[in-house]
Amino acid sequence: EIVLTQSPATLSLSPGERATLSCRASQSVISNYLAWYQQKPGQAPRLLIYGASSRATGIPDRFSGSGSGTDFTLTVSRLEPEDFAVYYCQQYGSSPWTFGQGTEVEI
Amino acid sequence: QLQLQESGPGPVKPSETLSLTCTVSGGSMSSFGYYWGWIRQSPGKGLEWIGNIYYSGNTYYNPSLKSRVTISVDTSKNQFSLNLSSMTAADTAVYYCARSSGTSPKRGFDIWGQGTMVTVSS
Repeated sequence: EIVLTQSPATLSLSPGERATLSCRASQSVISNYLAWYQQKPGQAPRLLIYGASSRATGIPDRFSGSGSGTDFTLTVSRLEPEDFAVYYCQQYGSSPWTFGQGTEVEI
Repeated sequence: QLQLQESGPGPVKPSETLSLTCTVSGGSMSSFGYYWGWIRQSPGKGLEWIGNIYYSGNTYYNPSLKSRVTISVDTSKNQFSLNLSSMTAADTAVYYCARSSGTSPKRGFDIWGQGTMVTVSS
């Protein structure tokens, strides 16, 4: 099973700042099948990034993903008030599909 | 626009079997190349993938739950279902159904239901 470790656990930033979130895999993610999700309280996760770097439909271009192999990064270039949430990475290249424990981006 | 909606019985007693249904609207479950999956979220364990069923009917389960899980599909009703047996308090969580593409480009879970809270209590 691939274990995904996200860091930091909490990121305290202000609107307009840049957020950089890390996701490290215990072994290489096949075909870079790595997704990022955003979750707000009481809501289901929303797909932001798939294939490590492709934005999902309707996702603003301030969200970007990068990385390959075992090290992946989600960057939010300029935080908007609605971006304060919890972010999860997920690998879907190997069974069982696994999620990271999440990074909370707080004001 | 495709939408997913979970439904289920509410509270479950220990040792009972959980049965949840996900109804798909705005599109057909038989569309080529999609996985239909179940994911749960509890405070202690975060997000956990339970399993998927492919449009062809093939199933894929998390080994940690495989002995207790069955996922099935009823294409005539545009629904798929989760059965999880021998429930314990550790299975208390929000249960989500979701869609994932099985063909290139594979996108992870791109459409989610709103989730349903399942509490295991005597």
